[in-house]
Amino acid sequence: DTAVSQTPKYLVTQMGNDKSIKCEQNLGHDTMYWYKQDSKKFLKIMFSYNNKELIINETVPNRFSPKSPDKAHLNLHINSLELGDSAVYFCASSQRLQGLFYEQYFGPGTRLTVT
Amino acid sequence: LAKTTQPISMDSYEGQEVNITCSHNNIATNDYITWYQQFPSQGPRFIIQGYKTKVTNEVASLFIPADRKSSTLSLPRVSLSDTAVYYCLVGDIERGGSARQLTFGSGTQLTVLP
Repeated sequence: DTAVSQTPKYLVTQMGNDKSIKCEQNLGHDTMYWYKQDSKKFLKIMFSYNNKELIINETVPNRFSPKSPDKAHLNLHINSLELGDSAVYFCASSQRLQGLFYEQYFGPGTRLTVT
Repeated sequence: LAKTTQPISMDSYEGQEVNITCSHNNIATNDYITWYQQFPSQGPRFIIQGYKTKVTNEVASLFIPADRKSSTLSLPRVSLSDTAVYYCLVGDIERGGSARQLTFGSGTQLTVLP
């Protein structure tokens, strides 16, 4: 029944490692997003895909690479992890705008801790 | 890119009406204003969205003045369970329907006291 799911929920790793976070949505949405929330609760968009096409690519180090194998999945791969990458990463999805309104559905978040 | 500014925190008592204002002086013509609620250890949850004037749903109202440089989220008769962080989001809806340049505000921590 989970609309937007992420795995893993917690991820603890060492500097320099490569890790991936997976996201899946079963809402039939065609747009998916990755957000980063730091310790001060600032919520910043990183990427957005619409129908598997990258439409938002904010100022994010190229160590972060999103991959969308299909409309229901948007994975986040991070290379050479750094201490500053420690944060909670949220996946979200929404339906392409129809009429005037849309809303994003967020996953539960993945807490990444880099040691 | 519309930047938003919100109060960092607000306190209220149960049963009171709470108004949280978000400033977005550089809002663009195509931008919609959306508010989200976030509880600890959870993802944000959509509350309400509007473009101008007033929008009301079963949980909140959104007031947007004519110049659209600010918006106010109104929560009627709050309860303890409304304690959360509230985010103001200004999004650019392009022709074709894809959302771009989504910018969340810093969020307002609302604490409802008994």
